[in-house]
Amino acid sequence: NAGVTQTPKFQVLKTGQSMTLQCAQDMNHEYMSWYRQDPGMGLRLIHYSVGAGITDQGEVPNGYNVSRSTTEDFPLRLLSAAPSQTSVYFCASSYNSAGLNSPLHFGNGTRLTVT
Amino acid sequence: DAKTTQPPSMDCAEGRAANLPCNHSTISGNEYVYWYRQIHSQGPQYIIHGLKNNETNEMASLIITEDRKSSTLILPHATLRDTAVYYCIVRVAEPGSARQLTFGSGTQLTVLP
Repeated sequence: NAGVTQTPKFQVLKTGQSMTLQCAQDMNHEYMSWYRQDPGMGLRLIHYSVGAGITDQGEVPNGYNVSRSTTEDFPLRLLSAAPSQTSVYFCASSYNSAGLNSPLHFGNGTRLTVT
Repeated sequence: DAKTTQPPSMDCAEGRAANLPCNHSTISGNEYVYWYRQIHSQGPQYIIHGLKNNETNEMASLIITEDRKSSTLILPHATLRDTAVYYCIVRVAEPGSARQLTFGSGTQLTVLP
């Protein structure tokens, strides 16, 4: 069982470039989300989705777009990369958006550097 | 969501119990307490959660005070592999609400040989 799979593991971009971070889960989870983690700041929610076709903004959405065309996939797009977006990005999913017994499952992250 | 307060760091001797405290004095009646941990460079890992009763699973025990204003995560026999950052989070879990879990800075637990 693969769980939550993130690709790529590492990426270096130049300022102004665009790219998509991929996230896929094979657990038929309704809820998916993206976090960024910066040193000393814990994890901050970027965008989330409670089901296919539904997305919403989290705490730090600026500079990022998401879409949820299937249950399995939740890509995160950087439209024009900036050095401030240098971070580790984690994708997470759970069985449903609010269930008591559906904790978040995390991928192993994408380490992005913007020069 | 209620805000949580955790000590920034703690040490524990290998084989001893690690007791990690969390203060959530503004917790509401329908908010659950969740614990996650993050081992260096990996994604966070779910440990345990509870509402008002104490909970135990194969990884840990969760003790919630009667007034629910604080809780303690207990790792009964800490090993070197338990060295990680531990996050305490409180969150509403009811039908229709979105899972906007907010992670704070957590507690860096170091298990010493």
